[in-house]
Amino acid sequence: GNSVTQMEGPVTLSEEAFLTINCTYTATGYPSLFWYVQYPGEGLQLLLKATKADDKGSNKGFEATYRKETTSFHLEKGSVQVSDSAVYFCALSAGSNYKLTFGKGTLLTVNP
Amino acid sequence: DAGVIQSPRHEVTEMGQEVTLRCKPISGHNSLFWYRQTMMRGLELLIYFNNNVPIDDSGMPEDRFSAKMPNASFSTLKIQPSEPRDSAVYFCASSLIDSTDTQYFGPGTRLTVL
Repeated sequence: GNSVTQMEGPVTLSEEAFLTINCTYTATGYPSLFWYVQYPGEGLQLLLKATKADDKGSNKGFEATYRKETTSFHLEKGSVQVSDSAVYFCALSAGSNYKLTFGKGTLLTVNP
Repeated sequence: DAGVIQSPRHEVTEMGQEVTLRCKPISGHNSLFWYRQTMMRGLELLIYFNNNVPIDDSGMPEDRFSAKMPNASFSTLKIQPSEPRDSAVYFCASSLIDSTDTQYFGPGTRLTVL
């Protein structure tokens, strides 16, 4: 079956540090890959997505590249801000049922 | 444009009571998903609808849970009777299944069963 594995948190960084959150997946076929972000007390928001191999999704300074050869979709940001503190979820959608399979989430805390 | 709307935002009830959670998807979306989020189990898909028809309810924990979608703009998730282990945040999400599969989430309902 489909599965997503992302690095366990929590991750604590200082402002302006470089961020990487690792995500690998197992899926049949050619999944679409997503990063969602959940700010405290809110629902999940789509951060970025990629639908085919070598695609790069980007938004708000965050980037992730769909790597089919390593089945990975790592999230990166060059300089984090305090406002980036949130839980980040990697997810995939595969097949015709459009169900999302989520990773367990990674809590990021950015200190000033 | 309004996003996914859920009500209530918070619900506190006693064990054995019936609980009904409500969701209004984004206008024009044809699929709707109910999720449950807990610290222990993370995000779990409970059920999803396509064009108001339940497609997959394999994630519904047991017969105490039921979901309906009487029309394209409204869905309910009901728990009867509720138990303390049902305490969680319940999210509704909607999407337009065409060439994209992005789901848009509501703010969630935080349910506490005493």
